Amino acid sequence: AQSVAQPEDQVNVAEGNPLTVKCTYSVSGNPYLFWYVQYPNRGLQFLLKYITGDNLVKGSYGFEAEFNKSQTSFHLKKPSALVSDSALYFCAVRDGGNFNKFYFGSGTKLNVKP
Amino acid sequence: AAGVIQSPRHLIKEKRETATLKCYPIPRHDTVYWYQQGPGQDPQFLISFYEKMQSDKGSIPDRFSAQQFSDYHSELNMSSLELGDSALYFCASSLAYQNTEAFFGQGTRLTVV
Repeated sequence: AQSVAQPEDQVNVAEGNPLTVKCTYSVSGNPYLFWYVQYPNRGLQFLLKYITGDNLVKGSYGFEAEFNKSQTSFHLKKPSALVSDSALYFCAVRDGGNFNKFYFGSGTKLNVKP
Repeated sequence: AAGVIQSPRHLIKEKRETATLKCYPIPRHDTVYWYQQGPGQDPQFLISFYEKMQSDKGSIPDRFSAQQFSDYHSELNMSSLELGDSALYFCASSLAYQNTEAFFGQGTRLTVV
């Protein structure tokens, strides 16, 4: 079975500091991993994905994620946080068995303080 | 670029009523998903369609049904509504290939009173 875990309900960081939002995964085959961001009362917006290749994946709004196979992790990072980055972040894995549904983590609320 | 369109954006219904939510996927996307997100919760998978056929089923109550039409739009029908059905309902679309991301609509906020 596929699953992702986000161990932190909330991450607090000061504006200008680097941020990390953690995600670990469990898959039976090759991992197809995604990060989404959700602003209040809005849909999920795609940030980036890991399919294969370089372990460091770059995405939208200056975000990047590091895939680590040995640690089964896919942490989201940004070198310098902005107040506008404050939102809910979801890690997701796509089921490779039937090419369909996405499994989401429980979400991490990122608070960036001025 | 065209995005996933959901209607209505907000819906208020009374207990035991029915509701129909609509989703228009991104053109040429062959897969549609429905998710339910309760307050402070992660999205829970309800059901998906690939090329107009149901492809997977999650925690969708028997009171709910869904279908995808020939023009690829999808509808989620909810009957005998309960207070606990109040949530944000998202539709997403993608290509079926496992290395592609899904694009989400803005969601329909259903409130059952």
